[in-house]
This record gives sequence, structure tokens and C-alpha cells, in this order.
Amino acid sequence: DTEVTQTPKHLVMGMTNKKSLKCEQHMGHRAMYWYKQKAKKPPELMFVYSYEKLSINESVPSRFSPECPNSSLLNLHLHALQPEDSALYLCASSQDTGLAGGETQYFGPGTRLLVL
Amino acid sequence: AQSVAQPEDQVNVAEGNPLTVKCTYSVSGNPYLFWYVQYPNRGLQFLLKYITGDNLVKGSYGFEAEFNKSQTSFHLKKPSALVSDSALYFCAVRDFSYGNNRLAFGKGNQVVVIP
Repeated sequence: DTEVTQTPKHLVMGMTNKKSLKCEQHMGHRAMYWYKQKAKKPPELMFVYSYEKLSINESVPSRFSPECPNSSLLNLHLHALQPEDSALYLCASSQDTGLAGGETQYFGPGTRLLVL
Repeated sequence: AQSVAQPEDQVNVAEGNPLTVKCTYSVSGNPYLFWYVQYPNRGLQFLLKYITGDNLVKGSYGFEAEFNKSQTSFHLKKPSALVSDSALYFCAVRDFSYGNNRLAFGKGNQVVVIP
């Protein structure tokens, strides 16, 4: 089973709202990722968690706040977003972020976010 | 930094004809190469990867890819395209720049299979 689940599938929020995106995997993976994807473009890495610790923050604005409560769950807390933040937000997981290099990242279906 | 290039924006192919999606890479050291497919309004699905070993890699849904070191290419192929193969295809390479383990994606290729 290589399933990563994400909720909600769609989200519409105003610029003053606070919302959260959730991601879950039960593959025993120890690395989890958040990506942002605009239409017809490749995914852009936002955050990487390795063994429940934040290992990469790609200079993402503080209105995006990640959280990894345990090895199976990953959240992305959203606050005071801008319309340009509207995008597909993808979660992914892999066995590890080890330098062996061969680990495959498995992606969830994404949350389509619209900021009004 | 490691990178991949997908030179075409869109690939049109008739159903039943061979499908090729091109990818070239630029790396220092050994390349770790991946192909993903994205159907409309969906996440990325892993198709196959090259780590080491045989140059011909077989993957999901009848796809395969050929690693060519001399041409620095990793083209995705399918002998007989289906209408359901119409999707966005991404080539990616493991990027060890800055000591971290990232995927560097190509710009993507839209594949349109014509019935």
C-alpha cells in the first residue's frame, strides 16, 4: 500500500481565516513533505520533516506553519493567506531523507486551495 | 545543482502509436532519476525510477524508460498509447545540493493521446 491521504480535497478561505490541511500515511515512512503546485507547473518544495523534525524550510512565508504531531501525520496551518497562495497543496512521504538517494516520494491527491 | 530538462511542452500521439516523453539530465555524480504522472485534479503518481543496474527500467501501467549515460537522457516510453494516458508527465532527479535530499523536477510535458 503506497497511499498518502489528504483532507480536505477542496478549501475556500478568506484572507483573515485560519485553516489547516492534513496529511496521513501508514507506510512507516519517516520523511514527509509539503509542496505547492500551480496549474501546469512542477511542484515546489515548501517543507520537509525527517523523523518528526523540520529539516527543510524553503523560505516559506510565516503565514504557512507546518506541524508533524507524529510519524504518520503532517499538518499545514494557514493564516492570513493571500490570493496568490491559491494552488494545489501536495503532501508526500518517503522511507527516509537519507543520502542513499533512491527513496521514492509518494504523493497524496492534494488539497485545492482558493483564497478569496 | 542537479537538474532535468523536458524539451517539449506537449506531445501529441495517436492512440495505439508508440509514446515517447523526453528527459535529459545534468548531474555531478551518479543520477537518481524518476518519472511521475499527474492526471487532472490529482496528485503525482510514481511511474518508475533509475538508481543503478539495467539501463531499461520497467514501471507501472506499461511504461518503461531507458537510461542513456552517453546522451544524459532518461526518456519515458510506452509501446502503444491509450487515451487514458493523456496526462502531465514530470521527470525528476534527486538533488543533493546543499547537503539536502530534494527532487528537482522538470517543467512537465502534457501528453495528449488522440482517439
